[in-house]
Amino acid sequence: DAKTTQPPSMDCAEGRAANLPCNHSTISGNEYVYWYRQIHSQGPQYIIHGLKNNETNEMASLIITEDRKSSTLILPHATLRDTAVYYCIVRYIGNQAGTALIFGKGTTLSVSS
Amino acid sequence: GAVVSQHPSWVICKSGTSVKIECRSLDFQATTMFWYRQFPKQSLMLMATSNEGSKATYEQGVEKDKFLINHASLTLSTLTVTSAHPEDSSFYICSATGRNREPQHFGDGTRLSIL
Repeated sequence: DAKTTQPPSMDCAEGRAANLPCNHSTISGNEYVYWYRQIHSQGPQYIIHGLKNNETNEMASLIITEDRKSSTLILPHATLRDTAVYYCIVRYIGNQAGTALIFGKGTTLSVSS
Repeated sequence: GAVVSQHPSWVICKSGTSVKIECRSLDFQATTMFWYRQFPKQSLMLMATSNEGSKATYEQGVEKDKFLINHASLTLSTLTVTSAHPEDSSFYICSATGRNREPQHFGDGTRLSIL
């Protein structure tokens, strides 16, 4: 799976949009971009994933550049509960289920009031 | 949504004992389960991949005789830390996925402390 690069930490004011960048310049055409987050002492929580189109769900939006070499996770109105480590993971879905998610160091997002 | 349950969430044991951690998929058939370990201030490290009805595949550096994995049914996988020592103290997390069941979902982890 392609490697990702994320800033180690970011700060965001409560109520503001949090924009978390991720570089994945070696991504191949059949690899998806996944975002998970991990709140302290909990298991990772799925946020969103996409292949090449922008995606939006109730938690966040995922913007993928046209060349697919980078993406941005957007939390539109950050709250204190969004403070967590955010992981951007590139993964091939070939056989629908069997490949593990490989975690990098992620971005620690700190939301303050 | 899919739910993965881990038990226990927290365990303290004496050195030399064996500890079993359970991972259950509550509303889907988990054909594949993954076990991770996380040390303080570090990221999750994949330990092994477990497919239902077959032997687990361990990552390089993970002792298969130390960390016994059983995936006997489509809803349950267990990780047994045998003869645990203080250096095995860590946060153990499982995830599960099934046929046509993306994305993967994670349990809430088990914090293991060996005294």
